[in-house]
Amino acid sequence: AQSVTQLDSQVPVFEEAPVELRCNYSSSVSVYLFWYVQYPNQGLQLLLKYLSGSTLVKGINGFEAEFNKSQTSFHLRKPSVHISDTAEYFCAVSGEAAGNKLTFGGGTRVLVKP
Amino acid sequence: DAGVIQSPRHEVTEMGQEVTLRCKPISGHNSLFWYRQTMMRGLELLIYFNNNVPIDDSGMPEDRFSAKMPNASFSTLKIQPSEPRDSAVYFCASSFQFGAYEQYFGPGTRLTVT
Repeated sequence: AQSVTQLDSQVPVFEEAPVELRCNYSSSVSVYLFWYVQYPNQGLQLLLKYLSGSTLVKGINGFEAEFNKSQTSFHLRKPSVHISDTAEYFCAVSGEAAGNKLTFGGGTRVLVKP
Repeated sequence: DAGVIQSPRHEVTEMGQEVTLRCKPISGHNSLFWYRQTMMRGLELLIYFNNNVPIDDSGMPEDRFSAKMPNASFSTLKIQPSEPRDSAVYFCASSFQFGAYEQYFGPGTRLTVT
């Protein structure tokens, strides 16, 4: 069975500072990894995904994530955040064993302060 | 494409009433997912369909919940009778069936049961 742990439920950060959101997963087979963002009162929107190949994945809005198989992690980073990055961020995993079913982490709420 | 369409966007109803939530997936997608999001339980997968056939309904909380997908462009989630604890945001998402394709989420239906 797959599971996803987002280690931080809330991350306050000042505008223009860097941010890292941590995500660890467990799976016995090869995985596909995703980060989604949810802005207030909206649905989830894909930020980036890792399927195979390069372990550093670049997404929209200046975000990137690094897949680390040995540490079973997929941490999300942005070097300089904006007020508009205030949102909730979800890490998710799927894999060939699970078909196209996604398992989501509990989410990390990012609050960007001026 | 218009994206995943959900209706209504907001629903307020009294306990005991029947509630029907509607979803139109992205044209060409053959997988459809229903999720529920609450503060207490986070994002939960209720049920998903491949090619209009229910594949996994293990997340449906009770027999009061039912979902149908009569054709590739329409799905409903029904709660009968509704209870205050059903209050949540319900999301519909769609994707291609095979491969590591991301899910596209609708804007959600905010349900309040009084």
